[in-house]
Amino acid sequence: GAVVSQHPSRVICKSGTSVKIECRSLDFQATTMFWYRQFPKKSLMLMATSNEGSKATYEQGVEKDKFLINHASLTLSTLTVTSAHPEDSSFYICSTPGGPYNEQFFGPGTRLTVL
Amino acid sequence: DAKTTQPPSMDCAEGRAANLPCNHSTISGNEYVYWYRQIHSQGPQYIIHGLKNNETNEMASLIITEDRKSSTLILPHATLRDTAVYYCIVSSGGATNKLIFGTGTLLAVQP
Repeated sequence: GAVVSQHPSRVICKSGTSVKIECRSLDFQATTMFWYRQFPKKSLMLMATSNEGSKATYEQGVEKDKFLINHASLTLSTLTVTSAHPEDSSFYICSTPGGPYNEQFFGPGTRLTVL
Repeated sequence: DAKTTQPPSMDCAEGRAANLPCNHSTISGNEYVYWYRQIHSQGPQYIIHGLKNNETNEMASLIITEDRKSSTLILPHATLRDTAVYYCIVSSGGATNKLIFGTGTLLAVQP
């Protein structure tokens, strides 16, 4: 199946700073990528759908100006958490439909801690 | 996408079969049943999916009832490494179709 990487794997930042998380599809051209976040002991919550060459589609309740998504190439989507606050601390995961049955392949996740 | 209902947790002895149930009574005719699992602090992993026939691969078997309102994921010989949260998701399966995760079942394989 498709191999998806994320960078960084974990990041600690100060409140008010911005953090960029990269999601790469290493062996598959991904026109669509999905971004999720997961709080401790909770399930994954879909944040947005990232579309190559066009604007992302955000789920209800997700602030598009706070969570900037760029999908400039078929192998890279980035999520930038702007002006991060402690409540943004979470596990951020991306995925892409890379299999023959459009099954999703997920990245290993990025643990964000905002102090 | 239809909602699913799973038990919050299950235990299984190592080497025994683990049978994880899922109810999806409002599934539509064109929706598949997908199973994913998430080992602690990792991204989810695809396991198997099916439409109406039973399916088997190297990881697991999927049994779907004739009315498609429920299914069971079977891990034939559970190992400690199978300890994870297992998610049952119904989706129409298109490339742009988003997955909506429920709360899943935490399977704890005991030595």
